[in-house]
Amino acid sequence: KQEVTQIPAALSVPEGENLVLNCSFTDSAIYNLQWFRQDPGKGLTSLLLIQSSQREQTSGRLNASLDKSSGRSTLYIAASQPGDSATYLCAVRSNSGNTPLVFGKGTRLSVIA
Amino acid sequence: DTGVSQDPRHKITKRGQNVTFRCDPISEHNRLYWYRQTLGQGPEFLTYFQNEAQLEKSRLLSDRFSAERPKGSFSTLEIQRTEQGDSAMYLCASSLAGTSGANVLTFGAGSRLTVL
Repeated sequence: KQEVTQIPAALSVPEGENLVLNCSFTDSAIYNLQWFRQDPGKGLTSLLLIQSSQREQTSGRLNASLDKSSGRSTLYIAASQPGDSATYLCAVRSNSGNTPLVFGKGTRLSVIA
Repeated sequence: DTGVSQDPRHKITKRGQNVTFRCDPISEHNRLYWYRQTLGQGPEFLTYFQNEAQLEKSRLLSDRFSAERPKGSFSTLEIQRTEQGDSAMYLCASSLAGTSGANVLTFGAGSRLTVL
């Protein structure tokens, strides 16, 4: 059974810092990995999707990497801003595109102005 | 089409009552998913449909829970005889199977259930 772990559970940084969020998964036979953002009391917004054959994806100040063999992904946020404050969730899809996403518990990020 | 819509956004009910949530997916999406999220946890998969067919159900979906997607468009999730442990955010997502879009789920804002 696939399990996804995110470290740290919470993180507080001053504005302008670069930061890294970590995600690990137990079964390396994944189809793809997705990072989401969730604001308090709201739904999920997809940030980046990495296919199993890819090593990284970039969108603006966000960069996600994938090391399938070690079961790890990182989300790098450059020049953090208070508007980046949210919970960041990592989710993996195993084996094929027909299996449901398995989520980690998330990292709650606070960027202090 | 403005995305995935869920209704109601918040439902407060007494233990033992039945509740129903509705999800309207993105119109061209043929897959629809239900997830449950409790405080401080990531979303947990409940069930998903491709068109009107319910293809998979999680063991989390007890016999008090039933989901339907009768015409392959909107879906309903009904919880009978609610318990306090059912209090959670119920998230709906949709995607387009058969293309690379099958990999990307679009989530709704969720329906928050509070059982007193």
